[in-house]
Amino acid sequence: KAGVTQTPRYLIKTRGQQVTLSCSPISGHRSVSWYQQTPGQGLQFLFEYFSETQRNKGNFPGRFSGRQFSNSRSEMNVSTLELGDSALYLCASSRTGEGRNEKLFFGSGTQLSVL
Amino acid sequence: DQQVKQNSPSLSVQEGRISILNCDYTNSMFDYFLWYKKYPAEGPTFLISISSIKDKNEDGRFTVFLNKSAKHLSLHIVPSQPGDSAVYFCAASGAGSYQLTFGKGTKLSVIP
Repeated sequence: KAGVTQTPRYLIKTRGQQVTLSCSPISGHRSVSWYQQTPGQGLQFLFEYFSETQRNKGNFPGRFSGRQFSNSRSEMNVSTLELGDSALYLCASSRTGEGRNEKLFFGSGTQLSVL
Repeated sequence: DQQVKQNSPSLSVQEGRISILNCDYTNSMFDYFLWYKKYPAEGPTFLISISSIKDKNEDGRFTVFLNKSAKHLSLHIVPSQPGDSAVYFCAASGAGSYQLTFGKGTKLSVIP
């Protein structure tokens, strides 16, 4: 079974630009979550999608948005990039996102650098 | 406000000895706790979990202890191996929510 796939692996952008990151979950997984990892803040929850609907949202500004497609693939968009958006963006999938015993499976992440 | 705290950014342990990673939480609504391990250039992988109805859970060399009154949990690795060198994240979720709140991580180095 293929794991969670995130593309691209690395990305360099400049301030003010926008960026779109992609995540393909494990086959059969319908819940996709996004996390931001920075050295100072650790892993912070961005949002979670299930059946093309945003079900949960973290405490991030509206510049961060996402969507999920009918095949459960998800994209995350960051508009008007700021230097502080430089981080590793991780995508995680699970079957339903509703079971305590459901494990989150993470992708390897997209390393975004904003110059 | 950090609801899940891992106060030690790093830890070094000799191979064969015990590694103890600590985690504190402030939210009384948290009732399910997990540990994830992360190698460089890879995503975190699930290691072990514990429900608040238990105070201990073992899986091979890994044991998690939960002290609810102190809002503290710890991960014990015995014996430690060089392959255990990674960043360990503590995470928690609360009743009625499956969203995970992570700590900042502790980098474990196991010295051969």
